[in-house]
Amino acid sequence: EAGVAQSPRYKIIEKRQSVAFWCNPISGHATLYWYQQILGQGPKLLIQFQNNGVVDDSQLPKDRFSAERLKGVDSTLKIQPAKLEDSAVYLCASSLRQQNTGELFFGEGSRLTVL
Amino acid sequence: RKEVEQDPGPFNVPEGATVAFNCTYSNSASQSFFWYRQDCRKEPKLLMSVYSSGNEDGRFTAQLNRASQYISLLIRDSKLSDSATYLCVVNTGGGGNKLTFGTGTQLKVEL
Repeated sequence: EAGVAQSPRYKIIEKRQSVAFWCNPISGHATLYWYQQILGQGPKLLIQFQNNGVVDDSQLPKDRFSAERLKGVDSTLKIQPAKLEDSAVYLCASSLRQQNTGELFFGEGSRLTVL
Repeated sequence: RKEVEQDPGPFNVPEGATVAFNCTYSNSASQSFFWYRQDCRKEPKLLMSVYSSGNEDGRFTAQLNRASQYISLLIRDSKLSDSATYLCVVNTGGGGNKLTFGTGTQLKVEL
């Protein structure tokens, strides 16, 4: 079974530029998450989708970050304009359903460096 | 106070040693608890769930103390391959999966 796919793996941009990350979850997984992991910290939830609806985006900096999952399958996370503090790994994860199981399947992440 | 707190370490232990990590959480309504493992520059992966009665998986034992709001992970007979960061994860999302991760505790097992 294919895992969670993310691209690009690495991205270097200058501050104030924009960037977009793509995620394709495991087939059939209804719930999709975007996490931000800054070096030395644990993953921080940015946004959670159930199918194509947003369940939780309370920690998403909405002035610069946006995310969509239009058809309830793959998802895009965009940052515009980027700041130095956005340098992090952006992890996409999926789970079979919005259930209290705790098992998320993560992609390898997209590592962003903002100069 | 952070929702989930862990000692970041690093814990440097010799091979064969027993090591324990603790984690505290602030939300008394938290429903479920987990330990994830993250290897250097890799994605996190579920290690084990933590049940009220405690649970064991080989050399790994996880326990929960709801009254004191902490969970623990015990690793016996440490192997070099256990070197990783161990993330404490708490589900505070009611019926859904709202997982909050701790900062992680780094373990280095040495010869």
